[in-house]
Amino acid sequence: DGGITQSPKYLFRKEGQNVTLSCEQNLNHDAMYWYRQDPGQGLRLIYYSQIVNDFQKGDIAEGYSVSREKKESFPLTVTSAQKNPTAFYLCASHRGLTGISANYGYTFGSGTRLTVV
Amino acid sequence: AQSVSQHNHHVILSEAASLELGCNYSYGGTVNLFWYVQYPGQHLQLLLKYFSGDPLVKGIKGFEAEFIKSKFSFNLRKPSVQWSDTAEYFCAVSHAGNMLTFGGGTRLMVKP
Repeated sequence: DGGITQSPKYLFRKEGQNVTLSCEQNLNHDAMYWYRQDPGQGLRLIYYSQIVNDFQKGDIAEGYSVSREKKESFPLTVTSAQKNPTAFYLCASHRGLTGISANYGYTFGSGTRLTVV
Repeated sequence: AQSVSQHNHHVILSEAASLELGCNYSYGGTVNLFWYVQYPGQHLQLLLKYFSGDPLVKGIKGFEAEFIKSKFSFNLRKPSVQWSDTAEYFCAVSHAGNMLTFGGGTRLMVKP
C-alpha cells in the first residue's frame, strides 16, 4: 500500500541536542510538508517542499531545518535553537504543484511525538 | 495572512444528538475548503472537501458541510452522532495553489 511513513513514533531528546525526524512516501507525490500540532493550535506549517532540491519556510520555521535530496524523503531536524520543541509532528504529501492537483488533497503520516527531557 | 477559526475547542454530545462545528476563514478570494478528522491514535483523514459547485457537500460517515460564501463559513454537520465519532476535527482552507491553513481543531466527545 502507498503511504507516508514517519519514524520514530516516539522520540525523546535532551535539551541542547539536535534530532532528526524521518518522513518517507511512496506515493510519487511532488510536494511534502511538515506540520507541528499543539493542543488548541491546530496544525502549523514548519517547512514545505514542492520539488526535489527546493524547500520553503512555513509559518514557524525558526529552530528547524529540512532537506529534500530525494522525491520520496523529507527529513526534519529539530535543532537546539528551537525553544519549545515538545510537540506532535506530522508529515504530509500532495500530488502536485498547482491547478487540478488540488483536488486530490493531502496524505498524512501517523506522526512523531517528540518530548524534550 | 489567511486564517481559519474554529470557535468550539471542545464539544461534548450524547449519542443521537445533532452536531454542528463552526469554521470561518479570512481569505476573500477563491478558496478550497476541507474538513479533516483525527480519530484517537490514527492519521488525519479527509472527511469532505469543497472546490466548486453545490455548496452543500456530503462526505464520509454521514457528515456534510455547507459553504456560505457571504459568511466565509464552512460548517460541518451530522444529524445524529455516534460514539465512534469521538475525534478531533480540523477545518482547513487552501488558495493560490496547494498550501493548507488549518484551524485550531475541535475535540468532539460523544457519550454513549
